[in-house]
Amino acid sequence: QKEVEQNSGPLSVPEGAIASLNCTYSDRGSQSFFWYRQYSGKSPELIMSIYSNGDKEDGRFTAQLNKASQYVSLLIRDSQPSDSATYLCAVFPGKTIFGAGTRLFVKA
Amino acid sequence: EAQVTQNPRYLITVTGKKLTVTCSQNMNHEYMSWYRQDPGLGLRQIYYSMNVEVTDKGDVPEGYKVSRKEKRNFPLILESPSPNQTSLYFCASSLRPGSLSTQYFGPGTRLTVL
Repeated sequence: QKEVEQNSGPLSVPEGAIASLNCTYSDRGSQSFFWYRQYSGKSPELIMSIYSNGDKEDGRFTAQLNKASQYVSLLIRDSQPSDSATYLCAVFPGKTIFGAGTRLFVKA
Repeated sequence: EAQVTQNPRYLITVTGKKLTVTCSQNMNHEYMSWYRQDPGLGLRQIYYSMNVEVTDKGDVPEGYKVSRKEKRNFPLILESPSPNQTSLYFCASSLRPGSLSTQYFGPGTRLTVL
């Protein structure tokens, strides 16, 4: 079992829809959770971090954390073609571990 | 401008020819690390450094060396590259290690070993 698992996609949504990205992790000691966005050929950039159970909202992005079920998700509201990228989930059980990423494609 | 720089951005080399990928940050960050990114495997940590002269192995250190003689620089050295080291490499830095510190990534180095 991988330490951080994500569906590789591609996840395809129409413009204006909600994109839902999911991530599960194996280490119950994980303390912090991050979502990075990576455009093709570019480096990852942090878009959200979450540390406690529940929801955290930042603009069109909402991160959701459920430690009991060991999953973290990212919702992107009003998806735009510019949101088309690979989204990396990362968790911190003492060191940062990345998932392989989910490719999101937003159709105009 | 706060940034992490890497050089070269692209490199094609042959098996066994030693190479160095440089990494430099101008944010006075203590923590620096190297990752490789391969399709389907995500980002895997090669080496990290907590501060000057303090380095340690990550998850995939075989075939790589690093040094941290200055706070701003963290070069990655491949003494004898092999084709399985063909990958996309990222250097990253953060103010300090730990869960609350955002990592900033360099632009990446695409390495091909023939």
